[in-house]
Amino acid sequence: SQQGEEDPQALSIQEGENATMNCSYKTSINNLQWYRQNSGRGLVHLILIRSNEREKHSGRLRVTLDTSKKSSSLLITASRAADTASYFCATGESGAGSYQLTFGKGTKLSVIP
Amino acid sequence: GAGVSQSPSNKVTEKGKDVELRCDPISGHTALYWYRQSLGQGLEFLIYFQGNSAPDKSGLPSDRFSAERTGGSVSTLTIQRTQQEDSAVYLCASSKTYSNQPQHFGDGTRLSIL
Repeated sequence: SQQGEEDPQALSIQEGENATMNCSYKTSINNLQWYRQNSGRGLVHLILIRSNEREKHSGRLRVTLDTSKKSSSLLITASRAADTASYFCATGESGAGSYQLTFGKGTKLSVIP
Repeated sequence: GAGVSQSPSNKVTEKGKDVELRCDPISGHTALYWYRQSLGQGLEFLIYFQGNSAPDKSGLPSDRFSAERTGGSVSTLTIQRTQQEDSAVYLCASSKTYSNQPQHFGDGTRLSIL
């Protein structure tokens, strides 16, 4: 069953604006990851945030994690047309021997030049 | 190449035929995963390999689906007696170890059943 749920399902912004996507999940996690998927391609890993971290940055990406609310957000600053893609959150559940990532249905981001 | 390679990239076949999809993971990655992605949807987990063994086959949709991995490297996903509902993109990913690590994806095989 799908654990992560992204919100919104689709987002359209102008180039240069910031884009914020949210993810909610249900169980205890070891970490949460964000991935990007360009049309017709595989997923590309963007960033991993561990359950004991609250915020992480990578270039124009900023990820926050609130384990008390079981939610995460991905902020892309100063968006570019090349950021147009679908973005997925994936949760790694806590527990010995845990291996599986559970992906949400994604947010489709369109950045208009 | 350095990435995960999948073949074929596209496969069109008639209902009832068997198909075999191939995944070549990143060298040295012990964990390998198969997912299915239907149009506009998220990823549905199918099966996971740790080395050559598959501890979890619970995601396979039916007994028509099987997978194997040999030499801790290449994996094949076989679908027998294909049905139209099998049409989807089949994605393979690998990671260094099996414990919630970042996964590296291939570009998938787009399977269309006529």
